[in-house]
This record gives sequence, structure tokens and C-alpha cells, in this order.
Amino acid sequence: DVVLTQTPPTLSATIGQSVSISCRSSQSLLDSDGDTYLNWLLQRPGQSPQLLIYSVSNLESGVPNRFSGSGSETDFTLKISGVEAEDLGVYYCMQATHAPLTFGSGTKLEIK
Amino acid sequence: EVQLVESGGGLVQPGRSLKLSCLASGFTFSNYGMNWIRQAPGKGLEWVASISSSSSYIYYADTVKGRFTISRDNAKNTLYLQMTSLRSEDTALYYCARRGTVPDYWGQGVMVTVSS
Repeated sequence: DVVLTQTPPTLSATIGQSVSISCRSSQSLLDSDGDTYLNWLLQRPGQSPQLLIYSVSNLESGVPNRFSGSGSETDFTLKISGVEAEDLGVYYCMQATHAPLTFGSGTKLEIK
Repeated sequence: EVQLVESGGGLVQPGRSLKLSCLASGFTFSNYGMNWIRQAPGKGLEWVASISSSSSYIYYADTVKGRFTISRDNAKNTLYLQMTSLRSEDTALYYCARRGTVPDYWGQGVMVTVSS
């Protein structure tokens, strides 16, 4: 199975600060169809996960553009440019290129 | 508005069975693959099973293969997860989520607790 390693496990940020989360894959996530099925999710406290970014860098509808994704093959990054209070929660990367679908262990974002 | 509403959870003894349902609305259910994804208390996300739009393709995590069965009724806009031979390690919040490669909508989850 593909292992996704997220760092850091926890992140503390002030409002307005920019932060990045890394997700490294044990295998290339470039699919034979040319797409890279690496997505980012946010789970706010007490809520279901919500999709933020799909296929590395595509912003899901309704998600603020302070969120951005980048990367390729095995190294991926989620960046938040100007953290807001509503951004607290746990961020997960997930891959759907290789079966089974797998998730990173999560990065907890705390607001100082 | 897309909505996914899970039901059928509860407290069950080890070795017993339980069937979860996920009622979909706000989109053409028969056009989308669906997933079950679970989250043990205080833990991360674990994919459980997926089913294609017409039920032609079905996949399971090794941890549930042979014990869980995913199915769907497109006429009823409902996704199911039949769980048998339940174990304590199956205790989790079970989410249904739309789409296989990009889970874009998630239900609120239904809790399954396996304990004697």
C-alpha cells in the first residue's frame, strides 16, 4: 500500500501567518492517465472532512484561494497564505492513484 | 444541495452483524462511484470500500475483506455497508463519501461501537 507521510504532525500559527504542510508518498502518484490523484482534506473539530484541493493543485469550489497545493510524483505541499481562525483542524492528504486509497496521518493546525 | 445521510449504526457485540445505509440527495446518485471511509475514535481516516456507479467494480480494504459487503440501490439513492463478524477494531465513525478518486462530499458519519 502507498504510505503518505505528513509533516509536521502539529502546527501552531498566528492569524495572518502563512504555513505549509508536506505530504510525501512512498511511490509516485502520477497515474497512467496523466493525472496525479493527490487530494487535501480539512477536518474541522467535530465535523466531517471536506475537500480543499484535488489532483495536487485544483481548488475545490467554494474553498478560499488562500489555500493552494503544489508538487509532483512523490512530494506535495499544501500552503495556507494568511491563516484565519476558521482554518483550525486536522489536514489530511490522500491518494487515489494506487489501490487501496490511503490517507496521511494528518497535521493538526492550532491557532495561537 | 448535495446531501449524504448515514444511518444504522449503534452498539453491537463482537461477532454480530450490522448494516449501514447512506441516503443520497441533491445529485444523480446513479452517476457516481461511492466510498465508505471510517475513523476510529481519536484516529485518522481509513478507507473501507468503494463501489462504482453501476456496481460493476467493488473494492475492499484487506482489513474488512470477506466480512463487509458494499452495495447500492440506485432506484432508492442509497448506499449500503453490510458488516458481519464485527470486531472491536471495527469501532469507528463510518462516513459515506461521493466519488472514488476525489471524495468531494461526505456525510456526517454514523458511529459503530463493537463491544461486549
